[in-house]
Amino acid sequence: AQTVTQSQPEMSVQEAETVTLSCTYDTSENNYYLFWYKQPPSRQMILVIRQEAYKQQNATENRFSVNFQKAAKSFSLKISDSQLGDTAMYFCAFMKPRYGNKLVFGAGTILRVKS
Amino acid sequence: DAMVIQNPRYQVTQFGKPVTLSCSQTLNHNVMYWYQQKSSQAPKLLFHYYDKDFNNEADTPDNFQSRRPNTSFCFLDIRSPGLGDTAMYLCATSRQGGSYNSPLHFGNGTRLTVT
Repeated sequence: AQTVTQSQPEMSVQEAETVTLSCTYDTSENNYYLFWYKQPPSRQMILVIRQEAYKQQNATENRFSVNFQKAAKSFSLKISDSQLGDTAMYFCAFMKPRYGNKLVFGAGTILRVKS
Repeated sequence: DAMVIQNPRYQVTQFGKPVTLSCSQTLNHNVMYWYQQKSSQAPKLLFHYYDKDFNNEADTPDNFQSRRPNTSFCFLDIRSPGLGDTAMYLCATSRQGGSYNSPLHFGNGTRLTVT
């Protein structure tokens, strides 16, 4: 079974600074998908960024980028120029293609952006 | 602009009193999911529908059932809620089987409290 581990329950960052959230996972699969989702307080969970395992190039979406290390099974999220609106719970998630549509989540990291 | 809508946002029910949570979507997605998210924990998949095909997770309690009368609607029925069922319940959808190009779209969730 796949597992996803987020070792940082809570993190803080100053506005405009850069922060990195860690995620590791365990799988014997060679091809899979990885995602970071953001869940603001009392609001819906939204997709931040995604990565296909067979692509070596790290995904980037504006201020959000990932450091995907397949051999190390690591998938960290870097947020540059942090904004107050980035305050949220961040979940790392794993999906195996064509496998029951299951998205396996990590326990989450609460990120607080301070002014 | 909401595309996955969950009602109600907050629900309080008594121990053992049946409760139904609803989810509707305007995305015309094939797949609808129900996740349970307890406080400070990762969302846990309860079951999903691929079109009309129901897929139950092995460890989902028998107390939890679901109905999908049409493409747009999906219901979560808890027959005899226990105190341990207090949680946020998240509905999500995806096109086809969920993939890199069809990530999950989440609703705002229903926060259920069993007293």
